[in-house]
Amino acid sequence: KQEVTQIPAALSVPEGENLVLNCSFTDSAIYNLQWFRQDPGKGLTSLLLIQSSQREQTSGRLNASLDKSSGRSTLYIAASQPGDSATYLCAVLLNILTGGGNKLTFGTGTQLKVEL
Amino acid sequence: DTEVTQTPKHLVMGMTNKKSLKCEQHMGHRAMYWYKQKAKKPPELMFVYSYEKLSINESVPSRFSPECPNSSLLNLHLHALQPEDSALYLCASSQENGGINIQYFGAGTRLSVL
Repeated sequence: KQEVTQIPAALSVPEGENLVLNCSFTDSAIYNLQWFRQDPGKGLTSLLLIQSSQREQTSGRLNASLDKSSGRSTLYIAASQPGDSATYLCAVLLNILTGGGNKLTFGTGTQLKVEL
Repeated sequence: DTEVTQTPKHLVMGMTNKKSLKCEQHMGHRAMYWYKQKAKKPPELMFVYSYEKLSINESVPSRFSPECPNSSLLNLHLHALQPEDSALYLCASSQENGGINIQYFGAGTRLSVL
């Protein structure tokens, strides 16, 4: 059974700092890995998706890397801002179900607070 | 438009009530999902519909009854719920496109069972 863990569970940093969030998974035979952001009481916003054949993806100040062999992904946030405060979740997809549906396994999440 | 719309945003119900949650998307996605999320926990998959057919039921109690009347709409019918069913209920949709498969989430319905 795929298990996904995230370290740290919570993180508080001053504004402007660069930071790294970690995600590890037990089954390396993944189809893709997705990073989400969730604001309190809200839905999930997809940030980056990395296919199993890719090593990294970038969007603005965000950079996500994937090392399938070691079962790890990192989300790098450059020059953090108070608006980045949220919970960050990684999720892995093992395979595509018949008909196009898919089953994501979510990590435990990292709650980030960026302080002024 | 990458929007998944969920209604209502908030719902309070008694244990004997019957209510329904609604989810709508107009992205042409053929897979739709219901998740349950408790506070400070990741979302847990409940149901997956693919081409309007139920393809996954994660051993969800029968007091939760999903329905997919058409390719744009997904409902979750609630009956005789328990206080421990109070949670954020999230709907999502997805479509594989050129090997890329991304789930898009709604804002959720915050459910309180009294």
